[in-house]
Amino acid sequence: DQQVKQNSPSLSVQEGRISILNCDYTNSMFDYFLWYKKYPAEGPTFLISISSIKDKNEDGRFTVFLNKSAKHLSLHIVPSQPGDSAVYFCAASDNNDMRFGAGTRLTVKP
Amino acid sequence: DGGITQSPKYLFRKEGQNVTLSCEQNLNHDAMYWYRQDPGQGLRLIYYSQIVNDFQKGDIAEGYSVSREKKESFPLTVTSAQKNPTAFYLCASSPNLGTSITGELFFGEGSRLTVL
Repeated sequence: DQQVKQNSPSLSVQEGRISILNCDYTNSMFDYFLWYKKYPAEGPTFLISISSIKDKNEDGRFTVFLNKSAKHLSLHIVPSQPGDSAVYFCAASDNNDMRFGAGTRLTVKP
Repeated sequence: DGGITQSPKYLFRKEGQNVTLSCEQNLNHDAMYWYRQDPGQGLRLIYYSQIVNDFQKGDIAEGYSVSREKKESFPLTVTSAQKNPTAFYLCASSPNLGTSITGELFFGEGSRLTVL
């Protein structure tokens, strides 16, 4: 039972353009959402997060949007850079544990 | 430098053998976790521990065992009872924020286990 879903396994964008990564969840008890970035042969690293009481959080080129009614969140990267090429995992947590999506592989082409 | 160290990075095992994956952290974090990553699936929680000498099963604990004798260490044993053990295993830690897991997790670099 996947409570967190990333339906796009891969995304390719041109350098300088916007990257939009999407994530859907089913459990309305989730109250904290995070994005992690993973390079090959490394563990995921935390990128940005958002609490369920907010609908937007921005950190430099990265912005996360949360639509609670749709149970949907997205990560926007503007402008995209070749170094952003990685696998991005969406995660959601409640008081008990943290659930991860399957990941989206982002490729930013020069 | 502070961080999480997993070893070995690559491990091969024959069917029927137990194998133990090491996870050590020097971040002074209370909570530690083991996840499993399979192609096309998210990270699935195997076990977690929020305090020394205590741990809880995650979603896929069957065929695995853990111990938490020291705050810094959370080894995972993949037993012969695990039906499909070939996977990428990730250890993580976090400061314990009460009883809720809302903070970020800090991950190790992972251990890839292949059963021959």
